[in-house]
Amino acid sequence: EVQVLESGGDLVQPGGSLRLSCAASGFSFRTYAMAWVRQAPGQGLEWVSTISGTGETTFYADSVRGRFTVSRDNSKNTVYLEMSSLRAEDTAVYFCAKGRDYGGYYFDSWGQGTLVTVSS
Amino acid sequence: DIRLTQSPPSLSASVGDSVTLTCRASQGVSGWLAWYQQKPGTAPKLLIYAASYLQGGVPSRFSGSGSETDFSLTITGLQPEDFATYYCQQANSFPYTFGQGTKVEMK
Repeated sequence: EVQVLESGGDLVQPGGSLRLSCAASGFSFRTYAMAWVRQAPGQGLEWVSTISGTGETTFYADSVRGRFTVSRDNSKNTVYLEMSSLRAEDTAVYFCAKGRDYGGYYFDSWGQGTLVTVSS
Repeated sequence: DIRLTQSPPSLSASVGDSVTLTCRASQGVSGWLAWYQQKPGTAPKLLIYAASYLQGGVPSRFSGSGSETDFSLTITGLQPEDFATYYCQQANSFPYTFGQGTKVEMK
């Protein structure tokens, strides 16, 4: 059974930093792209970042490029999202999602989400 | 960026009804479109990918169609568990984008 589990969400002050983790199991981890998608309170879904199976290729939303960094450790079946220079508008539930295929175009397994709150 | 506009924003329907949700892209995305279902407090669930392919384990009452800029999701015979918010997502080009969602409510 595929499982995806996020952790690391917390209350952080504006300008602060935070690292989210996403532990995955039940599939050949290195074969699939992984993504982060966020949802602000009461709002819709926003794609944040995608990382290829090898970790060599990454993509970011304009809203986070230069502030967020996605990475993965295939030996630990874990994806990370390093977030810095956090803003109030980054407040959201952050979901980690498995790509349906190597290209990661669609997301077929999601974690339960981890809440990031940016506030003083 | 490709903008996805979903309509209607919300709709009311009864169990057994058939409903069609639409998603319009600001530019052509070929068939690179997915539909997700989300219930309050839970993660989204992939229903349809590549515009018309049913994800494994999803009931056949869900179907998708369309290409380029106009897409639709049809639920034939609404069931109680189908009342939720539905999002479309384009995967034609980065940045991937989602529509704003259509909330299907019980009449």
